[in-house]
Amino acid sequence: GDSVTQMEGPVTLSEEAFLTINCTYTATGYPSLFWYVQYPGEGLQLLLKATKADDKGSNKGFEATYRKETTSFHLEKGSVQVSDSAVYFCALSSYGNKLVFGAGTILRVKS
Amino acid sequence: EAGVAQSPRYKIIEKRQSVAFWCNPISGHATLYWYQQILGQGPKLLIQFQNNGVVDDSQLPKDRFSAERLKGVDSTLKIQPAKLEDSAVYLCASSPRSYEQYFGPGTRLTVT
Repeated sequence: GDSVTQMEGPVTLSEEAFLTINCTYTATGYPSLFWYVQYPGEGLQLLLKATKADDKGSNKGFEATYRKETTSFHLEKGSVQVSDSAVYFCALSSYGNKLVFGAGTILRVKS
Repeated sequence: EAGVAQSPRYKIIEKRQSVAFWCNPISGHATLYWYQQILGQGPKLLIQFQNNGVVDDSQLPKDRFSAERLKGVDSTLKIQPAKLEDSAVYLCASSPRSYEQYFGPGTRLTVT
């Protein structure tokens, strides 16, 4: 079945450091790919998405490119802030609206 | 625009007791989802409704879990009887169309 694998955390960075959170997937067909973020005490929020190969999703300085050849959708940000501290989930959708999530990666940014 | 509402936010029960969670989706959203998020894992879909019909309940443990969405608006998820392994956050989400799911704050269930 469909699955998503994310790099394990927690990831601890200093403010203004470069961020990469790796995500790879296994799916039949051509899924849509997503990054969700969960800030402390809040619900999941859609951060960005890409619906076909080579698409780049971007939002709030975060970017991720849909790489079909490597089945990857790595999340990047050039300069993280303390306010980016959260849990980040990679997810895919192959059939209809059903989302399959990775285990999540905790990001901690220190000032 | 009001978001997805869930209640209660927290619930502690003993094993073998019953519990119910309530979700009110964003107005006009036809699709409603219940997810289970166990600590350290990503959310797992339990059931998906389209209006008041079930689209996917393949991962719902039907011997103890039940869900309904009367009148195609709000929904309840029930566990009867609860087991220790049911301790998790139960997330409700709604969607107006494909791929854009909006999540509520979740209900944290602790079974002792």
